[in-house]
Amino acid sequence: QVQLQESGPGLVKPSQTLSLTCNVSGVSINSVSYYWNWIRQPAGKGLEWIGQIYPGGSNKYNPSLKSRVTISVDTSKNQFSLKLSSVSAADTAVYFCARGVGGYYNYFDNWGQGTLVTVSS
Amino acid sequence: ETVLTQSPGTLSLSPGERATLSCRASETVIINHLAWYQQKPGQAPRLLIYGASSRATGVADRFSGSGSGTDFTLTISRLEPEDFAVYYCQQYGSSPWTFGQGTKVEI
Repeated sequence: QVQLQESGPGLVKPSQTLSLTCNVSGVSINSVSYYWNWIRQPAGKGLEWIGQIYPGGSNKYNPSLKSRVTISVDTSKNQFSLKLSSVSAADTAVYFCARGVGGYYNYFDNWGQGTLVTVSS
Repeated sequence: ETVLTQSPGTLSLSPGERATLSCRASETVIINHLAWYQQKPGQAPRLLIYGASSRATGVADRFSGSGSGTDFTLTISRLEPEDFAVYYCQQYGSSPWTFGQGTKVEI
């Protein structure tokens, strides 16, 4: 059974860097079949795709966040991570990690439960 | 980027009724790379439909997707109490992948 679980600080100060990790179980993060994604959702609002990583391949980021986002993978721990720099209140949201399937054009078939990150001093 | 507009914003229906949700794209969705998700309060989205019309594993057959090009529809043939939720469409044919703003199906 595939499971994804986000972890990281729930409170980040403005201008600092938000760091989250997604622990993956039940499947190897090295599998050639999957892409690994971050998606966020401000309270009461819709979903925004942040970016994805394909182990051994290239990353892809949403242009709206590209200058501030880094997604990396640690295959030894079967996890991937998100770093978002220079955060502001507008980055306050529930952050989800999700598995992408379908190849390069991927949709999301397994999601973590989400973790709330609040940006506040 | 491809903008997805969902309508209506809210759909007020009763159990047993048919729900029809619309998703319109600002440009053609390549190879019908469109998915639908269901989200309940406090939960992650759940994949219902991919490729515009293929049901995900374990999804009840009362859920069906249709459409092509720029116009897509999610139909719930007979609403069950557990179907009252927010539904999002998502396109994955053109980066960045984007979501619609959601349709809330309420009693």
